[in-house]
Amino acid sequence: DTGVSQDPRHKITKRGQNVTFRCDPISEHNRLYWYRQTLGQGPEFLTYFQNEAQLEKSRLLSDRFSAERPKGSFSTLEIQRTEQGDSAMYLCASSSGGTGKMGKNIQYFGAGTRLSVL
Amino acid sequence: AQSVTQLGSHVSVSEGALVLLRCNYSSSVPPYLFWYVQYPNQGLQLLLKYTSAATLVKGINGFEAEFKKSETSFHLTKPSAHMSDAAEYFCAVSVISGGYQKVTFGTGTKLQVIP
Repeated sequence: DTGVSQDPRHKITKRGQNVTFRCDPISEHNRLYWYRQTLGQGPEFLTYFQNEAQLEKSRLLSDRFSAERPKGSFSTLEIQRTEQGDSAMYLCASSSGGTGKMGKNIQYFGAGTRLSVL
Repeated sequence: AQSVTQLGSHVSVSEGALVLLRCNYSSSVPPYLFWYVQYPNQGLQLLLKYTSAATLVKGINGFEAEFKKSETSFHLTKPSAHMSDAAEYFCAVSVISGGYQKVTFGTGTKLQVIP
């Protein structure tokens, strides 16, 4: 168990460019979450996958954002035409799900990808 | 809908002193509650969780929290602060919604430990 891995750790881009982040969850976890964290705030939910199905999206996830989890393992989060307001830490978390027992629904977080849009 | 309020965005304590970080929650259904810790440029690490069992919950690194339903509180404490405790702490409330854990975080409290 190597934990949740995110790549890259830091990304600097120019406004208008596209960026893609990758998240590798804990291997036996079938649930994957993306969050955004801005300075001075707690993480805010963006989207949720169960296996390869994207089951929920926050209204924070504008049309410029797209997330995929094609084989139910790793996930990617793409931001098109980045804006300065997209600068934030993007966190990925995973959990094992189960039958609704909270013990299996605890989310484990990666170290995040810090995006800076110039 | 659920929400979390963390009182005090910054807390300073002397090394060896009591740590008390306050968290109040709001939830329309019985909640699950968590404390996470975040070190600079790191992700969130689970400190402890309340899942409707014992109201006094013990976590890692000597931290504990007590669930008080009447006060809708879940304050985090540690008897004696250590320099390595300096970090940002997030309280979170969770309910099961649509078959998954819907988590709402507070805005965080930065803990400074003074030598």
